[in-house]
Amino acid sequence: GENVEQHPSTLSVQEGDSAVIKCTYSDSASNYFPWYKQELGKRPQLIIDIRSNVGEKKDQRIAVTLNKTAKHFSLHITETQPEDSAVYFCAPSLNSGYSTLTFGKGTMLLVSP
Amino acid sequence: DTEVTQTPKHLVMGMTNKKSLKCEQHMGHRAMYWYKQKAKKPPELMFVYSYEKLSINESVPSRFSPECPNSSLLNLHLHALQPEDSALYLCASSQGTGPTGELFFGEGSRLTVL
Repeated sequence: GENVEQHPSTLSVQEGDSAVIKCTYSDSASNYFPWYKQELGKRPQLIIDIRSNVGEKKDQRIAVTLNKTAKHFSLHITETQPEDSAVYFCAPSLNSGYSTLTFGKGTMLLVSP
Repeated sequence: DTEVTQTPKHLVMGMTNKKSLKCEQHMGHRAMYWYKQKAKKPPELMFVYSYEKLSINESVPSRFSPECPNSSLLNLHLHALQPEDSALYLCASSQGTGPTGELFFGEGSRLTVL
């Protein structure tokens, strides 16, 4: 099965700073790379994803970069805001009909005003 | 409607009780999932239904019994649970066809086993 490692486990930044979370995976066949955000007491929600034929994808303040050779992908958040405070999970998987996501252990991001 | 609805939101049960968790989606998704999430941990996959057939059972104890009555509904029947089964149980759905895509999660059912 997929072995997923996520770093750091906790990240504290000041409002306006950038934040980067890295996810390393083991299965070279993985070709779908999403990031989920889970606010305290809420459901996980997809914030951005990338497929293996693309190296980088941006959506306003968030971006994901993929290095398939090194088997890692990263979440970048610029101009962080207090509402970005949450736990972020990476979940690399195979690109099949249904998802078999293996979630990383999560990164708790704390953005201080 | 992009919602996955789970009931009940909270459930307290004894170890000898039988109860069920329910999940519903009306997005036309053909894949539905049960995840278990303990505090400060990631969601762990329990079961996957694809086109109403059980496709993945991640070695879950038989005291958890999933059921998919139709393409919109997913149940999780609970019987003779242990206190360590206390957790947030998340239902999710996805298109289930074509390239893997977004999982839509429900708000979860918080289960406490006494």
